[in-house]
Amino acid sequence: DAGITQSPRHKVTETGTPVTLRCHQTENHRYMYWYRQDPGHGLRLIHYSYGVKDTDKGEVSDGYSVSRSKTEDFLLTLESATSSQTSVYFCAIRPDSGGQPQHFGDGTRLSIL
Amino acid sequence: QQQVKQSPQSLIVQKGGISIINCAYENTAFDYFPWYQQFPGKGPALLIAIRPDVSEKKEGRFTISFNKSAKQFSLHIMDSQPGDSATYFCAASKNTGNQFYFGTGTSLTVIP
Repeated sequence: DAGITQSPRHKVTETGTPVTLRCHQTENHRYMYWYRQDPGHGLRLIHYSYGVKDTDKGEVSDGYSVSRSKTEDFLLTLESATSSQTSVYFCAIRPDSGGQPQHFGDGTRLSIL
Repeated sequence: QQQVKQSPQSLIVQKGGISIINCAYENTAFDYFPWYQQFPGKGPALLIAIRPDVSEKKEGRFTISFNKSAKQFSLHIMDSQPGDSATYFCAASKNTGNQFYFGTGTSLTVIP
């Protein structure tokens, strides 16, 4: 398996609280991605990073922010969690070269009550 | 809008049968098409991928067929086994692009 670790693996929290999910890689890959997976929607891109401090929005970025201060870590923050953000969140990484596949972590199951 | 459309949403196949999952895209700039397999509680894992310069790619029991003119590609699983029961995602990207666009997934169940 690609060296990707997501933490925590499971989290239950309350509406309005801040939440931070962490993705850690040991592959030294340039690209890192955050997706959410919901039934009927497949995988939807939240944000991605193409280098340290270089990030861009995906199709469902509202309510989420990201940071990447080191190559190996990509953080996803929900500033004020809402029930609509209950989902399974996946981190993915990709090598520098184009046309290469993404490799995924095993996900974080987040429940917001 | 959905950049990659995948069908069917779910599929039930008898052991030994052929499973076929279809995907269609609109953006002719896409030039890399991977398929992912996902088991419950795990992240998607790359299964097989194809580029538009070939019409078919085979790896073991898994084959991708690619029709560039129709902007469609499909995954065929020959001699389907219960262990193939999983969710399958197609995806597309541009060689020079940063993003991947995923289909909505197909839940495959192979009945013994």
